[in-house]
This record gives sequence, C-alpha cells and structure tokens, in this order.
Amino acid sequence: AQKVTQAQTEISVVEKEDVTLDCVYETRDTTYYLFWYKQPPSGELVFLIRRNSFDEQNEISGRYSWNFQKSTSSFNFTITASQVVDSAVYFCALRGIGDSGAGSYQLTFGKGTKLSVIP
Amino acid sequence: NAGVTQTPKFQVLKTGQSMTLQCAQDMNHNSMYWYRQDPGMGLRLIYYSASEGTTDKGEVPNGYNVSRLNKREFSLRLESAAPSQTSVYFCASILAGARNEQYFGPGTRLTVT
Repeated sequence: AQKVTQAQTEISVVEKEDVTLDCVYETRDTTYYLFWYKQPPSGELVFLIRRNSFDEQNEISGRYSWNFQKSTSSFNFTITASQVVDSAVYFCALRGIGDSGAGSYQLTFGKGTKLSVIP
Repeated sequence: NAGVTQTPKFQVLKTGQSMTLQCAQDMNHNSMYWYRQDPGMGLRLIYYSASEGTTDKGEVPNGYNVSRLNKREFSLRLESAAPSQTSVYFCASILAGARNEQYFGPGTRLTVT
C-alpha cells in the first residue's frame, strides 16, 4: 500500500516570507515517481514538478525549489519570497511502479496543504 | 487542444436522482481517471480506465459506474445519488508512461440534497 502524508493542513505566511510544505511518503516499490500539484482558488489542478526515485538532485525553478530525500522518504517544497498569487492548496502525489495493474499509472495523493499568503 | 473537458461544471441533484458526468480528452491519452475531492480528504480515485475497453475500481467506487465510450471519452454515472456523493469531481488523463503527469479537467461541483 502507498501513502502520502502532508501533515500541515493550513499555513499562513506574510508576503515575501519563505515557506516550506512538507510531504512524506510510504511505498514498497523501489521505483516510483513523486509529483506536486497546485490548486489555486479557481479550482483547477496544475502540475508543478515530477521526480523519480533514482534522482535525488534538488530542483529549483524560479522561486520554487524541491528537496527530495530518500533517506527520510520526504519530498518537500519551498517557496522563496512568497507572493499572494502563491495562495493555493498544494498536493503531493506518489506513483509506485510495482504491482499496480499494467497501464494503471495511478496516483496516491496527500490531503493537501492550504497556503495563504497575506499581503 | 482543449485538453481535458468536463460537463457539467455545476449540478444540483435530489437524493435518488441519477446523472452522468461527461469527460473527454483530445490529447490521444490512453488512461483516464475519475477522482472525487472532499474537504480535508485530498483526491480519491473512484474508477480508472487503463486503456480503451477496460475499467477498474479505485479507492472509493461504491455508488458509481463508469463507461469508457472510446479512447477520448470516459463517463461517470451516479445511479441513485446520495448526499454523501456531494463533492467536486475531477477527470484526468495520462499518456502511457509512468513518468508522465496526469492532466486534469476543470472539475464538476455536485451537490446532492
């Protein structure tokens, strides 16, 4: 069974502060992919990043960075100098490549972290 | 490309009524999914279709049926709606390949009274 835990239900920060969203996962698969999605107040789900289990390099994209640590089964997401437009619910998700049905490509989602950036 | 489209955007049903949520994608994706999103619960998989002609249950299939009409379309049917099915429903699709992300539709907000 796979599990994704986002322990922070809601976070509020003041604009320009840095914020880290935590994601801890469980899987028995040795090969897996991790994803982050953003859901702004408008409701759509926007893909942010994927990471495979063999690539532990951190990634930076503008103000966003991701820290993948296999040793602690974590894939944390940091927003630097937060802006009001970052206010959204952020979901971490996991896809294990193991005994899932061929072609199922299922994702297991965490419950999400609601980030509010206050001007 | 329209991506993944869903109809309707909003729907109110009375308990016991039936309805079908429609989903279509124009990206030639193989696999399609239906999720429900409830406050504090994240997204939970209802049913999926790994390829045209196949469907399988996800985490929360009770009270739903699905049809993969063709490669483009995947519908979700509520035969007898219950208040517990009040939720936001998302359809998603993916091109074959484990590294690929799922593309989501805009969602259908369903209220059952």
